[in-house]
Amino acid sequence: GNSVTQMEGPVTLSEEAFLTINCTYTATGYPSLFWYVQYPGEGLQLLLKATKADDKGSNKGFEATYRKETTSFHLEKGSVQVSDSAVYFCALSDKGNTPLVFGKGTRLSVIA
Amino acid sequence: GAGVSQSPSNKVTEKGKDVELRCDPISGHTALYWYRQSLGQGLEFLIYFQGNSAPDKSGLPSDRFSAERTGGSVSTLTIQRTQQEDSAVYLCASSLDFNQPQHFGDGTRLSIL
Repeated sequence: GNSVTQMEGPVTLSEEAFLTINCTYTATGYPSLFWYVQYPGEGLQLLLKATKADDKGSNKGFEATYRKETTSFHLEKGSVQVSDSAVYFCALSDKGNTPLVFGKGTRLSVIA
Repeated sequence: GAGVSQSPSNKVTEKGKDVELRCDPISGHTALYWYRQSLGQGLEFLIYFQGNSAPDKSGLPSDRFSAERTGGSVSTLTIQRTQQEDSAVYLCASSLDFNQPQHFGDGTRLSIL
């Protein structure tokens, strides 16, 4: 079945550091890929998405590129801020109409 | 505009009681999803609705769990004879159609004593 594996957290970075959160997936078809973010005390929010190979999703300085050859969708940001502290979830949705399959989440803490 | 609304935001109940969780999706969204977020388990899909139909109930953890949706809008998730392992945050999401991005509510935090 479909699955998502993302790096274990927690990840602690200093402000302005470079961020990478790895995400790889297993899917039978050609899924759409997503990153969701959950800020403390809030619900999940869609951060960015990519629907086909080589697409790059971007939002709020975050980027992720859909790499079919490595089945990956790593999240990156060049310079993190304290306000980026949250839990980040990688997810996929098979175009065969199945709900989101999530990774376990990676908690990011950014310290000033 | 209004987002996905879930109620109650917090629910504490005794083991063995039944609970009902409510989700009010974004107006016009035909697809509605329920997930469970447990400590250490990540996000787990429970059930989804396309209109009032639930084509995939495979994620429901036991027959104590059921869900319905009426009028293509509000959905309720019912847990009968609650157990301590049911303690989790129950998240609802809706999307315009099935392949569209999902918008999440803030969840209901359920604690079983």
